[in-house]
Amino acid sequence: EAGVAQSPRYKIIEKRQSVAFWCNPISGHATLYWYQQILGQGPKLLIQFQNNGVVDDSQLPKDRFSAERLKGVDSTLKIQPAKLEDSAVYLCASSFYSSDNEQFFGPGTRLTVL
Amino acid sequence: AQKITQTQPGMFVQEKEAVTLDCTYDTSDPSYGLFWYKQPSSGEMIFLIYQGSYDQQNATEGRYSLNFQKARKSANLVISASQLGDSAMYFCAMRGDLSSGSARQLTFGSGTQLTVLP
Repeated sequence: EAGVAQSPRYKIIEKRQSVAFWCNPISGHATLYWYQQILGQGPKLLIQFQNNGVVDDSQLPKDRFSAERLKGVDSTLKIQPAKLEDSAVYLCASSFYSSDNEQFFGPGTRLTVL
Repeated sequence: AQKITQTQPGMFVQEKEAVTLDCTYDTSDPSYGLFWYKQPSSGEMIFLIYQGSYDQQNATEGRYSLNFQKARKSANLVISASQLGDSAMYFCAMRGDLSSGSARQLTFGSGTQLTVLP
């Protein structure tokens, strides 16, 4: 069974530029999560999708971050414009149901904003 | 609000020995779940073990066990017979009452870096 795929693995941009991250969850998983993990901290949930609908985006900085999951499968997270404090690893995870105990994580995208 | 505290930034253990990673939590939810995840240097988070707040027995999964003390609000992870491959960052996390929409999200602690020595 293929795991959660993310790309790119690394991205370096200058502040005020835009960037997009892509995630392909495990086949059949209806729930998809995007987390931000700043160095030295645990992951923080940015947004949770159930199929193509948003369940929780309470911690998403909506003035600069956006995410979509148009067909209920792949998802894209965008930052526009990026700030220095957005430097972090962005992790995508998926689960079959939102109530599942286990979330399956991808390898993450490490973003550096200069 | 939920809070997870991991007070050990780093831990060392000799191969084949047991090690306990500490985790305390705070929540006002009547029911909740506690989780441990492992994050190797490759970056992906790997689910290890789950404990429900109403479970009567402590959870075990192979070499992993969760020492759940509800009155003390602690959920320590015990790894028995440590292996070199256990060297990684370990995160404790919790999720509140599933009937509360916003409480479904996992709240993670800051992690403990475990190093297993040969």
